[in-house]
Amino acid sequence: GENVEQHPSTLSVQEGDSAVIKCTYSDSASNYFPWYKQELGKGPQLIIDIRSNVGEKKDQRIAVTLNKTAKHFSLHITETQPEDSAVYFCAASRAGGTSYGKLTFGQGTILTVHP
Amino acid sequence: DAGVTQSPTHLIKTRGQHVTLRCSPISGHKSVSWYQQVLGQGPQFIFQYYEKEERGRGNFPDRFSARQFPNYSSELNVNALLLGDSALYLCASSLAGTRNIQYFGAGTRLSVL
Repeated sequence: GENVEQHPSTLSVQEGDSAVIKCTYSDSASNYFPWYKQELGKGPQLIIDIRSNVGEKKDQRIAVTLNKTAKHFSLHITETQPEDSAVYFCAASRAGGTSYGKLTFGQGTILTVHP
Repeated sequence: DAGVTQSPTHLIKTRGQHVTLRCSPISGHKSVSWYQQVLGQGPQFIFQYYEKEERGRGNFPDRFSARQFPNYSSELNVNALLLGDSALYLCASSLAGTRNIQYFGAGTRLSVL
């Protein structure tokens, strides 16, 4: 089955700096790659996603890049703010077959933005 | 608009007991998925239901079961609870089974003593 590796496990940055989180996946049939932000006591919140027919997607301070050949994708946060502090999860999925709707998550990255 | 709602928010059970967790999807969403999140790890897929049928099952024992009702709400049942079942149980809903865009509830925190 699919396996998703996420790095780093913790990331500490100063306010205003950029943060990058990287994930690799094993199943070449995966075609959907969302990123979730989880704050303490809350469920994961979708912040951005990308499909395999696109190489990059941007939404204000957040961007995601996908390299299908290397089977890795990355989350980029620019001009970080203290409210960006949370746990971030990458995930991978493919439609159809026995993986119908299943998201496989990475282990998570604890991002801390210092004021 | 209401998001995904789960009940109860917290639950304490003892080993061997049975538990039922409930989930109401976003209005209009017909697919519900269940995930288990152990502290410090990413969520792990348990089940997906679409149009009241099981469409996917993760690597969990038969003690775990689920169902979806005609109004698209869902229940997750766990029998013969073990200490290792202590986790945050997350429900996610999506508009249609294959679109994959899943929106999560706040979860039910289950503690097994």
